[in-house]
Amino acid sequence: QVQLQQWGAGLLKPSETLSLTCAVYGGSLSGYYWSWIRQPPGKGLEWIGEINQRGSTNYNPSLKSRVTISVDTSKNQVSLKLISVTAAETAVYYCARGRGRQSGAAFDIWGQGTLVTSSS
Amino acid sequence: DIQMTQSPSSLSASVGDRVTITCRASQSITTFLNWYQQRPGKAPRLLIYAASSLQSGVPSRFSGSGSGTHFTLTISSLQPEDSATYSCQQSDSSPRTFGQGTKLEIK
Repeated sequence: QVQLQQWGAGLLKPSETLSLTCAVYGGSLSGYYWSWIRQPPGKGLEWIGEINQRGSTNYNPSLKSRVTISVDTSKNQVSLKLISVTAAETAVYYCARGRGRQSGAAFDIWGQGTLVTSSS
Repeated sequence: DIQMTQSPSSLSASVGDRVTITCRASQSITTFLNWYQQRPGKAPRLLIYAASSLQSGVPSRFSGSGSGTHFTLTISSLQPEDSATYSCQQSDSSPRTFGQGTKLEIK
């Protein structure tokens, strides 16, 4: 059974860099896209971007200039970096496995979520 | 970006009721539409993918339909554990976008 375990700093000051890692247990990175998705308190979900095993990325244009998603195949991990965070980017950040288009390209497995608070 | 609009934003229903939630896309997404359930403090859970396919392990009282720009999620007989927020998501094009969510309360 595939599980995603994520971790990273939960408290940042505005202008600092958000850094999170997601480890994939019980399965391979191959054949899927691995996404980061966030959810501000009491609000809806926002897709940040995705990466595949080969390192091919796709970012939300609204964040593209500040976000980097990377993959470490030796550790079965994907990582998120978001520079220059603002207080408005306080949110729960999730990693999620994305299936291929033949399976609806849905997010079928999610990490537990990490609350990242940006406050001075 | 494709905008996803859900209605209603919240609803209250009784155990055993049939409940329908609607999701509209700002342009055609064929059947690249997925539904998620999210309980408070938990990660979303995939219920329906490709508009009408039931994800493994999801009870059969959940069903989805639609294509193009209009989609529905139906719960045929509401159970107490169905109290949650339900969100639709389009996977036809990038950036992936979600509806704002529908909060379902059990009376």
